[in-house]
Amino acid sequence: EVRLTQSGAELKEPGESLKISCKASGYRFTDYWIGWVRQMPGKGLEWMSIVHPGNFDRRHNPSFEGQVTLEFDASINTAYLQWNSLQASDSAIYFCARRLHVDGSPFDFWGQGTLVTVSS
Amino acid sequence: QSALTQPRSVSGSPGQSVTVSCTGTSTDVGRYNYVSWYQQHPGKAPKLLIHDVSQRPSGVPDRFSGSKSGNTASLEISGLQTDDEADYFCCSYGGTYTPFVFGTGTEVTVL
Repeated sequence: EVRLTQSGAELKEPGESLKISCKASGYRFTDYWIGWVRQMPGKGLEWMSIVHPGNFDRRHNPSFEGQVTLEFDASINTAYLQWNSLQASDSAIYFCARRLHVDGSPFDFWGQGTLVTVSS
Repeated sequence: QSALTQPRSVSGSPGQSVTVSCTGTSTDVGRYNYVSWYQQHPGKAPKLLIHDVSQRPSGVPDRFSGSKSGNTASLEISGLQTDDEADYFCCSYGGTYTPFVFGTGTEVTVL
Protein backbone atom coordinates (compact mmCIF):
# COMPACT_ATOMS: atom_id res chain seq x y z
CA GLU A 1 0.00 0.00 0.00
CA VAL A 2 1.37 3.39 -1.01
CA ARG A 3 1.68 5.77 1.93
CA LEU A 4 3.17 9.21 2.41
CA THR A 5 3.47 9.96 6.11
CA GLN A 6 4.22 13.53 7.08
CA SER A 7 5.65 14.97 10.28
CA GLY A 8 3.41 16.66 12.82
CA ALA A 9 2.10 20.18 13.22
CA GLU A 10 4.61 22.93 13.99
CA LEU A 11 4.31 26.23 15.84
CA LYS A 12 7.20 28.57 15.16
CA GLU A 13 8.11 32.21 15.61
CA PRO A 14 9.06 34.52 12.73
CA GLY A 15 12.72 34.18 11.81
CA GLU A 16 13.04 30.60 13.03
CA SER A 17 14.10 27.72 10.79
CA LEU A 18 12.04 24.61 10.11
CA LYS A 19 12.32 21.28 8.31
CA ILE A 20 9.23 19.11 7.77
CA SER A 21 9.36 15.57 6.44
CA CYS A 22 7.45 13.13 4.26
CA LYS A 23 8.28 9.44 4.50
CA ALA A 24 7.27 7.26 1.56
CA SER A 25 6.43 3.57 1.73
CA GLY A 26 4.82 0.95 -0.47
CA TYR A 27 6.63 1.85 -3.68
CA ARG A 28 10.13 2.38 -5.06
CA PHE A 29 11.02 5.90 -3.94
CA THR A 30 13.41 6.49 -6.83
CA ASP A 31 10.81 5.71 -9.51
CA TYR A 32 8.55 8.68 -8.85
CA TRP A 33 8.77 12.42 -8.51
CA ILE A 34 7.90 13.74 -5.06
CA GLY A 35 6.85 17.29 -4.32
CA TRP A 36 5.18 19.77 -2.02
CA VAL A 37 1.91 21.67 -2.31
CA ARG A 38 0.89 24.62 -0.13
CA GLN A 39 -2.63 25.37 0.99
CA MET A 40 -3.07 28.62 2.86
CA PRO A 41 -6.03 28.91 5.26
CA GLY A 42 -9.27 28.69 3.31
CA LYS A 43 -7.46 28.88 -0.01
CA GLY A 44 -6.56 26.71 -2.97
CA LEU A 45 -3.64 24.46 -3.84
CA GLU A 46 -0.27 25.80 -5.02
CA TRP A 47 2.52 23.51 -6.19
CA MET A 48 5.88 24.55 -4.79
CA SER A 49 8.60 22.22 -5.97
CA ILE A 50 9.15 18.65 -7.11
CA VAL A 51 12.24 16.46 -7.28
CA HIS A 52 12.97 13.09 -8.86
CA PRO A 53 15.08 11.07 -6.37
CA GLY A 54 16.20 8.73 -9.15
CA ASN A 55 17.94 11.31 -11.31
CA PHE A 56 17.95 14.44 -9.09
CA ASP A 57 15.91 16.40 -11.64
CA ARG A 58 13.99 19.32 -10.10
CA ARG A 59 11.22 21.71 -10.97
CA HIS A 60 10.43 24.85 -8.97
CA ASN A 61 7.46 27.15 -8.97
CA PRO A 62 9.07 30.60 -9.44
CA SER A 63 6.71 31.96 -6.79
CA PHE A 64 8.52 29.91 -4.15
CA GLU A 65 12.07 29.91 -5.44
CA GLY A 66 14.52 31.13 -2.83
CA GLN A 67 12.00 30.82 -0.01
CA VAL A 68 12.10 27.08 0.66
CA THR A 69 14.39 24.16 -0.12
CA LEU A 70 13.25 20.69 -1.15
CA GLU A 71 15.64 17.92 -0.20
CA PHE A 72 15.45 14.14 0.02
CA ASP A 73 17.25 11.15 1.50
CA ALA A 74 16.71 8.14 -0.74
CA SER A 75 18.30 5.81 1.83
CA ILE A 76 15.29 6.36 4.12
CA ASN A 77 12.68 7.17 1.44
CA THR A 78 12.08 10.62 2.87
CA ALA A 79 11.60 14.06 1.38
CA TYR A 80 11.97 17.31 3.28
CA LEU A 81 10.85 20.90 2.96
CA GLN A 82 13.05 23.42 4.71
CA TRP A 83 12.85 27.09 5.62
CA ASN A 84 15.81 29.10 6.91
CA SER A 85 13.77 32.04 8.17
CA LEU A 86 10.02 31.68 8.53
CA GLN A 87 7.55 34.51 8.03
CA ALA A 88 3.97 34.79 9.20
CA SER A 89 2.89 34.41 5.58
CA ASP A 90 4.33 30.86 5.60
CA SER A 91 1.47 29.75 7.85
CA ALA A 92 -0.32 27.07 5.86
CA ILE A 93 -0.88 23.35 5.44
CA TYR A 94 1.84 21.68 3.40
CA PHE A 95 1.12 18.45 1.56
CA CYS A 96 3.67 16.14 0.02
CA ALA A 97 2.59 14.12 -2.99
CA ARG A 98 4.11 11.79 -5.55
CA ARG A 99 3.97 11.95 -9.32
CA LEU A 100 4.79 9.30 -11.92
CA HIS A 101 7.94 9.84 -13.98
CA VAL A 102 5.98 10.85 -17.07
CA ASP A 103 5.36 14.42 -18.19
CA GLY A 104 1.76 15.38 -17.60
CA SER A 105 1.21 12.92 -14.80
CA PRO A 106 -0.84 14.09 -11.80
CA PHE A 107 -0.08 13.83 -8.11
CA ASP A 108 -1.62 10.42 -7.49
CA PHE A 109 -0.99 9.90 -3.76
CA TRP A 110 -0.83 12.57 -1.08
CA GLY A 111 0.41 12.82 2.48
CA GLN A 112 -1.98 13.82 5.24
CA GLY A 113 -0.62 17.36 5.44
CA THR A 114 1.53 19.26 7.95
CA LEU A 115 0.10 22.41 9.54
CA VAL A 116 2.73 25.11 9.99
CA THR A 117 1.81 28.11 12.13
CA VAL A 118 4.19 31.05 12.32
CA SER A 119 3.29 33.53 15.02
CA SER A 120 5.00 35.66 17.61
CA GLN B 1 1.33 31.21 -14.70
CA SER B 2 -2.16 32.20 -13.53
CA ALA B 3 -4.48 29.82 -11.75
CA LEU B 4 -7.20 28.12 -13.75
CA THR B 5 -10.64 29.65 -13.21
CA GLN B 6 -13.37 27.65 -11.50
CA PRO B 7 -16.76 28.74 -10.17
CA ARG B 8 -16.64 29.47 -6.48
CA SER B 9 -19.51 27.10 -5.71
CA VAL B 10 -22.06 24.81 -7.30
CA SER B 11 -24.91 22.95 -5.66
CA GLY B 12 -27.42 20.24 -6.38
CA SER B 13 -29.89 17.93 -4.74
CA PRO B 14 -29.18 14.26 -4.02
CA GLY B 15 -29.47 12.23 -7.20
CA GLN B 16 -29.00 15.22 -9.50
CA SER B 17 -25.99 15.98 -11.67
CA VAL B 18 -23.67 18.95 -11.33
CA THR B 19 -20.88 20.17 -13.57
CA VAL B 20 -17.78 22.06 -12.47
CA SER B 21 -15.96 24.04 -15.12
CA CYS B 22 -12.24 24.84 -15.26
CA THR B 23 -11.06 27.49 -17.69
CA GLY B 24 -7.45 27.91 -18.64
CA THR B 25 -5.56 29.13 -21.68
CA SER B 26 -3.97 27.84 -24.86
CA THR B 27 -0.73 27.25 -22.92
CA ASP B 28 -2.22 24.80 -20.43
CA VAL B 29 -5.73 23.29 -20.68
CA GLY B 30 -6.01 24.05 -24.38
CA ARG B 31 -2.59 22.68 -25.25
CA TYR B 32 -2.34 19.43 -23.30
CA ASN B 33 -4.68 16.52 -22.57
CA TYR B 34 -3.30 16.41 -19.05
CA VAL B 35 -6.11 17.77 -16.92
CA SER B 36 -6.71 16.21 -13.52
CA TRP B 37 -9.33 16.73 -10.85
CA TYR B 38 -9.00 16.40 -7.10
CA GLN B 39 -11.61 16.08 -4.36
CA GLN B 40 -10.83 17.50 -0.93
CA HIS B 41 -13.02 16.99 2.09
CA PRO B 42 -12.57 19.46 4.98
CA GLY B 43 -9.42 18.76 6.94
CA LYS B 44 -8.31 16.03 4.56
CA ALA B 45 -5.72 15.66 1.85
CA PRO B 46 -6.77 16.00 -1.79
CA LYS B 47 -7.70 12.78 -3.57
CA LEU B 48 -7.14 12.19 -7.28
CA LEU B 49 -10.48 11.70 -9.07
CA ILE B 50 -9.65 12.13 -12.76
CA HIS B 51 -6.43 12.28 -14.77
CA ASP B 52 -5.63 12.74 -18.44
CA VAL B 53 -8.92 14.68 -18.88
CA SER B 54 -11.25 11.71 -18.46
CA GLN B 55 -9.45 8.74 -16.90
CA ARG B 56 -10.54 7.48 -13.49
CA PRO B 57 -8.04 5.83 -11.14
CA SER B 58 -9.02 2.47 -9.73
CA GLY B 59 -11.68 2.82 -7.05
CA VAL B 60 -13.19 6.10 -8.24
CA PRO B 61 -16.91 5.67 -9.00
CA ASP B 62 -18.04 6.15 -12.59
CA ARG B 63 -20.41 8.87 -11.32
CA PHE B 64 -17.39 11.13 -11.76
CA SER B 65 -16.50 11.95 -15.35
CA GLY B 66 -14.25 14.46 -17.04
CA SER B 67 -14.14 16.14 -20.42
CA LYS B 68 -12.48 19.01 -22.23
CA SER B 69 -13.34 21.42 -25.02
CA GLY B 70 -10.84 24.02 -26.09
CA ASN B 71 -9.47 25.86 -23.08
CA THR B 72 -12.17 24.59 -20.71
CA ALA B 73 -12.27 21.29 -18.85
CA SER B 74 -15.28 20.00 -16.97
CA LEU B 75 -16.02 17.59 -14.17
CA GLU B 76 -19.50 16.09 -14.01
CA ILE B 77 -20.79 14.43 -10.89
CA SER B 78 -23.91 12.41 -11.56
CA GLY B 79 -26.21 10.82 -8.99
CA LEU B 80 -25.06 13.35 -6.40
CA GLN B 81 -24.53 11.91 -2.92
CA THR B 82 -24.08 13.65 0.43
CA ASP B 83 -20.46 12.44 0.57
CA ASP B 84 -19.74 14.35 -2.64
CA GLU B 85 -19.96 17.56 -0.64
CA ALA B 86 -16.36 18.77 -0.80
CA ASP B 87 -13.99 21.14 -2.57
CA TYR B 88 -12.91 20.22 -6.09
CA PHE B 89 -9.76 21.44 -7.77
CA CYS B 90 -8.75 21.06 -11.39
CA CYS B 91 -5.13 21.00 -12.47
CA SER B 92 -3.45 21.16 -15.84
CA TYR B 93 0.02 20.42 -17.11
CA GLY B 94 1.62 23.61 -18.39
CA GLY B 95 4.85 22.28 -19.83
CA THR B 96 8.11 20.77 -18.60
CA TYR B 97 8.88 23.64 -16.25
CA THR B 98 5.28 24.27 -15.21
CA PRO B 99 4.11 20.75 -14.38
CA PHE B 100 1.08 21.91 -12.38
CA VAL B 101 -1.37 24.77 -12.81
CA PHE B 102 -4.11 24.40 -10.23
CA GLY B 103 -7.60 25.78 -10.42
CA THR B 104 -9.09 28.20 -7.92
CA GLY B 105 -11.33 25.50 -6.45
CA THR B 106 -15.07 24.90 -6.33
CA GLU B 107 -17.17 24.08 -3.29
CA VAL B 108 -19.83 21.53 -4.15
CA THR B 109 -22.83 21.60 -1.84
CA VAL B 110 -25.46 18.87 -1.69
CA LEU B 111 -28.75 20.52 -0.79
